[in-house]
Amino acid sequence: GAVVSQHPSWVICKSGTSVKIECRSLDFQATTMFWYRQFPKQSLMLMATSNEGSKATYEQGVEKDKFLINHASLTLSTLTVTSAHPEDSSFYICSAPKTSGSGNEQFFGPGTRLTVL
Amino acid sequence: LAKTTQPISMDSYEGQEVNITCSHNNIATNDYITWYQQFPSQGPRFIIQGYKTKVTNEVASLFIPADRKSSTLSLPRVSLSDTAVYYCLVGDTNRDDKIIFGKGTRLHILP
Repeated sequence: GAVVSQHPSWVICKSGTSVKIECRSLDFQATTMFWYRQFPKQSLMLMATSNEGSKATYEQGVEKDKFLINHASLTLSTLTVTSAHPEDSSFYICSAPKTSGSGNEQFFGPGTRLTVL
Repeated sequence: LAKTTQPISMDSYEGQEVNITCSHNNIATNDYITWYQQFPSQGPRFIIQGYKTKVTNEVASLFIPADRKSSTLSLPRVSLSDTAVYYCLVGDTNRDDKIIFGKGTRLHILP
């Protein structure tokens, strides 16, 4: 199956700093990628849709100036958590759809654990 | 996007067959039903997808009745490693639509 990678797999930062998380589709191109956030014992919450060549679309309640998304190429989307605070500590997951004969299948990255001190 | 409803949690024993049912009363004509598995601190992993009747792969079976308002994921002879959260999702796979996750079912396999 297709592979989606994320880097870093985990990061610890001080409050007030910015953190960049990369999401790459390794063996296919993705004009659209999705970013999710997951708190312990909870489901994945969609944050935004990353669109190659255009602005990201954010879900209601997600601050676009805090969570900057850049879809730099057909294989790379980045999520930057600006001025991170402890409440931003979470598990961030990206996904990318790949077209096959039976339609699109979503492939998820392994996730990035962010801890803000 | 069709809303899905699943049991919050289930327990079973090794070697048993586990059936997890999902309700999706508002499923649209073009929607497919997809199940994902998620282990702690990992991204979700695709298990199976179907449109109607029955689909089987090397991991699971998916049963979908004629009205498609529900579906059942069947895991044969589960093992401890099947302990995970299972998500039922409904959407049009022919579009790059966003996926909205429900609460999922936390399956706990006991020895």
